[in-house]
Amino acid sequence: KAGVTQTPRYLIKTRGQQVTLSCSPISGHRSVSWYQQTPGQGLQFLFEYFSETQRNKGNFPGRFSGRQFSNSRSEMNVSTLELGDSALYLCASSRTPAEQYFGPGTRLTVT
Amino acid sequence: ELKVEQNPLFLSMQEGKNYTIYCNYSTTSDRLYWYRQDPGKSLESLFVLLSNGAVKQEGRLMASLDTKARLSTLHITAAVHDLSATYFCAVDSLYSGGGADGLTFGKGTHLIIQP
Repeated sequence: KAGVTQTPRYLIKTRGQQVTLSCSPISGHRSVSWYQQTPGQGLQFLFEYFSETQRNKGNFPGRFSGRQFSNSRSEMNVSTLELGDSALYLCASSRTPAEQYFGPGTRLTVT
Repeated sequence: ELKVEQNPLFLSMQEGKNYTIYCNYSTTSDRLYWYRQDPGKSLESLFVLLSNGAVKQEGRLMASLDTKARLSTLHITAAVHDLSATYFCAVDSLYSGGGADGLTFGKGTHLIIQP
């Protein structure tokens, strides 16, 4: 059974640009959550999508947005990148609330 | 606001020793997760604890949950070098009565096991 996949795995952008990250959940999983991991703030919840609807949102500015497609694949977008957006972005998929399977992550560097 | 505190944040120990990592959280929740992260890697699920008194064991790791004390422990028995990693506990806010805000993670325990 294939795991959660994220693309790209590494990304370098400059301040002010925007970026789109992609997450393909495990087959049959309809919930996708996104997390940001930084050395200073640790792991923080960004948002969760279920059946193409955003169910929950963490405490991040509006520059962070996401969406989910009918095949459960999800994308997150960050506009007007700041240096502080450099982080490992993880997505997790689940079929039930008790399980969260994390993908390998996308490491974003903003210069 | 749900807060999750782990201690210690850094632990260096020798192979063969036992130790415990503690995870305290601030509001009621019946769902607690333990994850392992190797450097540069993603999170690997270790345990999901779903009720008060839950105890789960896998190899040299054992996790327990006391919802009344709002405390979970991850016990390492006869540590081996391969267990060196960062361990995170996380609480599901949905089940803490504080609304649905995804998982709230502790800061992680960086564990180094020396031969």
